[in-house]
Amino acid sequence: NAGVTQTPKFRVLKTGQSMTLLCAQDMNHEYMYWYRQDPGLGLRLIHYSVGEGTTAKGEVPDGYNVSRLKKQNFLLGLESAAPSQTSVYFCASTKRGEGTGELFFGEGSRLTVL
Amino acid sequence: QKEVEQDPGPLSVPEGAIVSLNCTYSNSAFQYFMWYRQYSRKGPELLMYTYSSGNKEDGRFTAQVDKSSKYISLFIRDSQPSDSATYLCAMSFLSSNTGKLIFGQGTTLQVKP
Repeated sequence: NAGVTQTPKFRVLKTGQSMTLLCAQDMNHEYMYWYRQDPGLGLRLIHYSVGEGTTAKGEVPDGYNVSRLKKQNFLLGLESAAPSQTSVYFCASTKRGEGTGELFFGEGSRLTVL
Repeated sequence: QKEVEQDPGPLSVPEGAIVSLNCTYSNSAFQYFMWYRQYSRKGPELLMYTYSSGNKEDGRFTAQVDKSSKYISLFIRDSQPSDSATYLCAMSFLSSNTGKLIFGQGTTLQVKP
């Protein structure tokens, strides 16, 4: 019973490098989200998707791109990493019409940009 | 000003104490109110949710919503060292068709044996 799995769990990048974070969920959820968590700022929504092939911007989308080619996967890309993108990234998913506000989170991906 | 404000703490209490965690918000359209618990180096997990105003109790935990004051609270009775975690409040709109949640900054709680 995997739930939401994030890959990789840790990564160190140099400024200007690119990378992709992968999120996979096995609960057949329609909605998926990428958040970043920073001290004093809490969880902030980067991008989200309400279904396969659809994505939308959240609160802090600049510098990130996403894709949802398959229902179970949601990819977060950094094209040219900056030190300001040093953070812990969380993927989450939920069922459409859930109503309880229960998001299922992965364990996080810790990214350091030097 | 953030839509949801939460004192980040940290909050340190002795085992057995009653803990009160709070959030204020500015958007009166919020209808769903949630508390998530996040252990160190883990993802958040839903602890309790409440629709609109009122109280909800689950074991040692009680969630309160006061929409007139735009204020929500989580009370933990007989706190245990295992309650040591970061607690995040979260809110959403009744008519949301995206499932998006707005989170507070989180309050770090330490319960000392």
